Amino acid sequence: KAGVTQTPRYLIKTRGQQVTLSCSPISGHRSVSWYQQTPGQGLQFLFEYFSETQRNKGNFPGRFSGRQFSNSRSEMNVSTLELGDSALYLCASSLLLAGVTDTQYFGPGTRLTVL
Amino acid sequence: KQEVTQIPAALSVPEGENLVLNCSFTDSAIYNLQWFRQDPGKGLTSLLLIQSSQREQTSGRLNASLDKSSGRSTLYIAASQPGDSATYLCAVRENRDDKIIFGKGTRLHILP
Repeated sequence: KAGVTQTPRYLIKTRGQQVTLSCSPISGHRSVSWYQQTPGQGLQFLFEYFSETQRNKGNFPGRFSGRQFSNSRSEMNVSTLELGDSALYLCASSLLLAGVTDTQYFGPGTRLTVL
Repeated sequence: KQEVTQIPAALSVPEGENLVLNCSFTDSAIYNLQWFRQDPGKGLTSLLLIQSSQREQTSGRLNASLDKSSGRSTLYIAASQPGDSATYLCAVRENRDDKIIFGKGTRLHILP
């Protein structure tokens, strides 16, 4: 079974631009979560989607948004990029059983650099 | 507010030694706790998941324990190998809002 895939793997943008990252979950997984990882803050939860609906959201500004498609693929968008948005963005998929997600499986991440 | 702490931040041990990594959390109202490893520049690999009703889980040379009442979990690695060198992260899923909170990890280096 193929793992979680993320595209692109690396991205360089300048301040003020916007960016869209993509995540394809493991086949059969309907829950997709996004995380931001930086050396200073570690891994921080951005949001979680299930069946095309945002199920949960972390404490990030509205510049960070996401969506999920009917095939469970998810995209994350960051508008008006700031230097502090430079990070590794990780996507994870999981089954959702009885309202609780189980083991999370992570993709390799997208390394975003904002200049 | 849930806080997850991992101490030490970094650890170096000679190959072959048994070792213990620690994780503590401030709010015991959790669904589960998960241990991951992360190799440099890569995503996370799930190692063990312990449900809140369980006390421990084992996989090969790895054993994870959970003591909810004291807010602690340990990851025991037996007979360490150079390939175990990585950053190990623990994460708790909260009852209250179903969010996952990560610790900042322990960077482990196994000396050949």
